[in-house]
Amino acid sequence: DQQVKQNSPSLSVQEGRISILNCDYTNSMFDYFLWYKKYPAEGPTFLISISSIKDKNEDGRFTVFLNKSAKHLSLHIVPSQPGDSAVYFCAASVRGSQGNLIFGKGTKLSVKP
Amino acid sequence: NAGVTQTPKFRVLKTGQSMTLLCAQDMNHEYMYWYRQDPGMGLRLIHYSVGEGTTAKGEVPDGYNVSRLKKQNFLLGLESAAPSQTSVYFCASISGVTEAFFGQGTRLTVV
Repeated sequence: DQQVKQNSPSLSVQEGRISILNCDYTNSMFDYFLWYKKYPAEGPTFLISISSIKDKNEDGRFTVFLNKSAKHLSLHIVPSQPGDSAVYFCAASVRGSQGNLIFGKGTKLSVKP
Repeated sequence: NAGVTQTPKFRVLKTGQSMTLLCAQDMNHEYMYWYRQDPGMGLRLIHYSVGEGTTAKGEVPDGYNVSRLKKQNFLLGLESAAPSQTSVYFCASISGVTEAFFGQGTRLTVV
């Protein structure tokens, strides 16, 4: 049973437009959510996070939205740039669970010039 | 700052051979993790450690052993490699907050 689901394996967006990456979760105990970005042949790098007590967190071009009732979060990238082309992983954890992060399968974003 | 360093970066093993992957972090983090990444599967937790001398099983622990003799190092061992263990392995460490820092990965092929 996947606790964190990213149902879109890939997404293609034109440069300058908005990229929206989606993530659903099933475990209502999750209280902290993160997005990681991964380039080929590199390790994942932290992008942005959100606590379950919030519904939005913004950092420059990146905004994460959390809808707890729907158990859904999304990452918005505005405007999208070719350098944003990467695989994006959604991850979730329960505070106090020794930091264990449960990852989704990832969405490959391609931003075309 | 080195952050999290994994060695080796690449390795080819024959079925039945053994090897150890080393993860070293210089951030004084308590928690360390080993993940494997397979196509279409995301990152799956193999084993983790919440401090020196402690280890615990993750989602996919079978066929692997780990040790955390020093706080800065977390070793992942394969006693008898199998083709199903062909994967990219990532080590991560974490502070008290939930953000994890990852190494660059070890690409392992078992033939």
